[in-house]
Amino acid sequence: GENVEQHPSTLSVQEGDSAVIKCTYSDSASNYFPWYKQELGKRPQLIIDIRSNVGEKKDQRIAVTLNKTAKHFSLHITETQPEDSAVYFCAAKSNTGKLIFGQGTTLQVKP
Amino acid sequence: SAVISQKPSRDICQRGTSLTIQCQVDSQVTMMFWYRQQPGQSLTLIATANQGSEATYESGFVIDKFPISRPNLTFSTLTVSNMSPEDSSIYLCSVEQSRDTQYFGPGTRLTVL
Repeated sequence: GENVEQHPSTLSVQEGDSAVIKCTYSDSASNYFPWYKQELGKRPQLIIDIRSNVGEKKDQRIAVTLNKTAKHFSLHITETQPEDSAVYFCAAKSNTGKLIFGQGTTLQVKP
Repeated sequence: SAVISQKPSRDICQRGTSLTIQCQVDSQVTMMFWYRQQPGQSLTLIATANQGSEATYESGFVIDKFPISRPNLTFSTLTVSNMSPEDSSIYLCSVEQSRDTQYFGPGTRLTVL
């Protein structure tokens, strides 16, 4: 069935370092891949997304890459700051129109 | 993005009772969804709320337990029926806007005693 695997489940980095979170999806028909950031007690917030006709997208310190052949996509955060600490979820839109979410990555940025 | 509100923001309920959660959007949207997020877990889709027709439920979720209404393009309700402690969770509505992008409501934190 439709599935999205996300790694790592937890990630701890020093402030200023980069963080990378990776996801793999199973549905080859998926064509839309959003990333959400969820701070404690808050709603998931869309931070960046990518479509299957694009290999990379960047927004300031955040970038997402997509490898359709390998069915991998990744979130890259550069120059991390303590306010980047949160749970990050990747998702893939299936051919049935629903979002399939990964298991989440808890990112801790140490000052 | 759309402004999405949910009521109540939290509630504590007794087992065997039911709770209805409301989701209101400030603009008309075609697609509305209901998710459950158990503590420390990812988001699980309960159902797609269809305007003017019955909701489409995901595997493991049934209409008798989670009846959904969608009377118009800006409003939906989710009822959690005959609650048990296992239903304690955060329930979130989301809407799809401008080609694929989904935005979430603030969530309803439910505790069942």
